[in-house]
Amino acid sequence: SYELAQPPSVSVSAGQTASITCSGDKLGDKYVCWYQQKPGQSPVVVIYQNNKRPSGIPERFSGSNSGNTATLTISGTQAMDEADYYCQAWDSNTGVFGTGTKVTVL
Amino acid sequence: EVQLVQSGAEVKKPGESLKISCKTSGYSFTTYWIGWVRQLPGKGLEWMGIIYPGDSDTRYGPSFQGQVTISADKSISTAFLQWSSLKASDTAMYYCARRAYNYGPTGYYYYMDVWGKGTTVTVSS
Repeated sequence: SYELAQPPSVSVSAGQTASITCSGDKLGDKYVCWYQQKPGQSPVVVIYQNNKRPSGIPERFSGSNSGNTATLTISGTQAMDEADYYCQAWDSNTGVFGTGTKVTVL
Repeated sequence: EVQLVQSGAEVKKPGESLKISCKTSGYSFTTYWIGWVRQLPGKGLEWMGIIYPGDSDTRYGPSFQGQVTISADKSISTAFLQWSSLKASDTAMYYCARRAYNYGPTGYYYYMDVWGKGTTVTVSS
């Protein structure tokens, strides 16, 4: 079955840029989306179709996808961005989540 | 406003059966796939499966095939997730979510755009 790997944790100083990677075989051939989950809350999509932001998601969130790696970038990271982040791709109409990355804002 | 309202928390014993629900409103129930996602305590999101209420076409993630049943009732715009015999390892939070879709340059793209608040299932003797 298809697998997506993410680093378990990323630390970033407030105001700096955080980059979260998501790796999978030929991932660049698929569309990737990203979810943010804060403690005790349901996930929220922050990026879809590799690099599109839903309405209401701040411009500091951006995405890219090429080769075997997709990347979620948070520019000018704020304390409110501290959360778990998951990538997702679709393989044969089955959704696959990445392993998740905890972002800590220092 | 699109809403997915999940049923309340459940406490069950091993071997018991369970059916939890996800009632939708604010959109055409039969034209969007609804998915179920498991989150074990302190762990990540796991894809369980998805159903298209229009014709009940259902797909399961490899780890969940044969372990759970996903269904939908068009008359009440509600999706269901059920177990015939619970195990302690089924203790988790379960989310339902609507799958949005559109056509991009290289094919369809999908994402879960609206989520329920989750149903906590605790299985303990």
